[in-house]
Amino acid sequence: NAGVMQNPRHLVRRRGQEARLRCSPMKGHSHVYWYRQLPEEGLKFMVYLQKENIIDESGMPKERFSAEFPKEGPSILRIQQVVRGDSAAYFCASSPRQGSTGELFFGEGSRLTVL
Amino acid sequence: TQLLEQSPQFLSIQEGENLTVYCNSSSVFSSLQWYRQEPGEGPVLLVTVVTGGEVKKLKRLTFQFGDARKDSSLHITAAQPGDTGLYLCAGAQGAGKLIFGQGTTLQVKP
Repeated sequence: NAGVMQNPRHLVRRRGQEARLRCSPMKGHSHVYWYRQLPEEGLKFMVYLQKENIIDESGMPKERFSAEFPKEGPSILRIQQVVRGDSAAYFCASSPRQGSTGELFFGEGSRLTVL
Repeated sequence: TQLLEQSPQFLSIQEGENLTVYCNSSSVFSSLQWYRQEPGEGPVLLVTVVTGGEVKKLKRLTFQFGDARKDSSLHITAAQPGDTGLYLCAGAQGAGKLIFGQGTTLQVKP
């Protein structure tokens, strides 16, 4: 039973380029969440998506960041015109349903380095 | 804004010692989870506590949720080098939206 799959595991971009991070949730899970972990900091919520819908994007920066979870295919976190401060580990998590206990299953993360 | 504060931030102990990690907040959470994260990997769920005063045990790990559901503790008995890692507490703020503590980095020396 495959877990949450993220790719790429490592991504290097120069300032001004675009970064695309992909996430395939666990089989049977229809809820996807993106978290960001900056160096020496804890994980911070970015966005919560269900198929074709953004449910909560209160943690997303207002500019340059976008996320989608299409009907077919993985969820995509897109960062346009990257800056050095975007360097971080980006984690995707999934859950089978919306529940009050909030248990999430995390992928291994995508580590973005902006030169 | 809800915050979770973990203490201590760093802990280095010898194999066989006991330790406790604390997770405190001024806010009430509907549930609280503990995760463990290895370097270069994602957090792995250890336990979820839901009821105030709840105690859960996972082998040598004991998790407790405060009566008021604002704080939690993780106690490890007879720590082993394999327990080394980053321990994170997280409070549920809504569907899938977790507030994470800063984490406690534990090093157990053989």
